[in-house]
Amino acid sequence: AQSVTQPDIHITVSEGASLELRCNYSYGATPYLFWYVQSPGQGLQLLLKYFSGDTLVQGIKGFEAEFKRSQSSFNLRKPSVHWSDAAEYFCAVSNNNDMRFGAGTRLTVKP
Amino acid sequence: KAGVTQTPRYLIKTRGQQVTLSCSPISGHRSVSWYQQTPGQGLQFLFEYFSETQRNKGNFPGRFSGRQFSNSRSEMNVSTLELGDSALYLCASSLGALGETQYFGPGTRLLVL
Repeated sequence: AQSVTQPDIHITVSEGASLELRCNYSYGATPYLFWYVQSPGQGLQLLLKYFSGDTLVQGIKGFEAEFKRSQSSFNLRKPSVHWSDAAEYFCAVSNNNDMRFGAGTRLTVKP
Repeated sequence: KAGVTQTPRYLIKTRGQQVTLSCSPISGHRSVSWYQQTPGQGLQFLFEYFSETQRNKGNFPGRFSGRQFSNSRSEMNVSTLELGDSALYLCASSLGALGETQYFGPGTRLLVL
């Protein structure tokens, strides 16, 4: 069955430090992969997506993600975190018939 | 372009009642999907409508239903509400397939008492 795992429920980083949020998926073929961000009380905003091609994907707000087929991973990275990045981050996979989200990683940014 | 809009934003109902939520997609988008978000179960896919037809469905009971109109606007209905239906209900629209980029609305927060 299709599934998405975000191993880290909560991560705290200092402002200016680098960030990596982990995402692993289980699926028979390479699905469409997404990272979304959700601020409190808001809907989801797409950060980036991977369909095919270059495995390093650039997104908005300085985020990037790397697709590693051998590890079934799609980790999100940012070289320098800003206080405004504090939010909940969701990894998602889709095969056009279904959409599955990970449980989310809550990011806290220390000043 | 205006984003995805959802009405109402907040709703309080009692057990046994039914509720209808509305979603207006981005102009030109033909696919509308619905999701339930709860602290315990996270984000779960309810169903997707495309050109007025339910194209995909998640694993939810028949109390959850929806429809889509010719202008792509969609409604979701939950009958015989249960306490566990309290959640944030999110609507998303996309141009075509479910795997394409989806744009989310702000959600409707439903509280069932």
